[in-house]
Amino acid sequence: AQTVTQSQPEMSVQEAETVTLSCTYDTSESNYYLFWYKQPPSRQMILVIRQEAYKQQNATENRFSVNFQKAAKSFSLKISDSQLGDTAMYFCAFMRERGGSQGNLIFGKGTKLSVKP
Amino acid sequence: EAGVTQFPSHSVIEKGQTVTLRCDPISGHDNLYWYRRVMGKEIKFLLHFVKESKQDESGMPNNRFLAERTGGTYSTLKVQPAELEDSGVYFCASSQDLTPPYSVDEQFFGPGTRLTVL
Repeated sequence: AQTVTQSQPEMSVQEAETVTLSCTYDTSESNYYLFWYKQPPSRQMILVIRQEAYKQQNATENRFSVNFQKAAKSFSLKISDSQLGDTAMYFCAFMRERGGSQGNLIFGKGTKLSVKP
Repeated sequence: EAGVTQFPSHSVIEKGQTVTLRCDPISGHDNLYWYRRVMGKEIKFLLHFVKESKQDESGMPNNRFLAERTGGTYSTLKVQPAELEDSGVYFCASSQDLTPPYSVDEQFFGPGTRLTVL
């Protein structure tokens, strides 16, 4: 069975600095999808960034980028120029490839990130 | 465009009672998912509908949980009878079919229903 591990329950960073959130996963499959979701306090969870395992290039979305190390089964999230609005719970998630069809997400426990002014 | 909505936002019930949670997905989204987060643990998958059919219900904990999706639109999740360990936040998510250039579509989440069983 696939598992996702986020080893940092809580982190903090100063505004405008860079922070990296760690995520490792375990799977025997060769292709799959990885995601980072963000849940701000009292708000809905939203997708931050996604990575398809067969793509070697790391995904980037503005200030958010990932370091995807397939052999090490590592998928860390880097947030550059942190902003107060980045304060949230961050979840790393895994999805199996099912012949192109949709599948369920397997989540880590989350990392609570606080951005301090 | 309206997002995924869930009702109620909070529910407090006694052990042994019945509770029904409702999820309205984004219009046009054929895929609907239910997840649950018990305090201090991971968000866990419960089940997946494609339109009105159950595609995968491998995450449903036991037969006290019954999910339905009427006409492929909104979905309900009934817990009967509720037990203490059912307390947690129940999330619903929806997604549409595959759209290039991605081979998997984003799941959009609702705000969740916080269920407390006393």
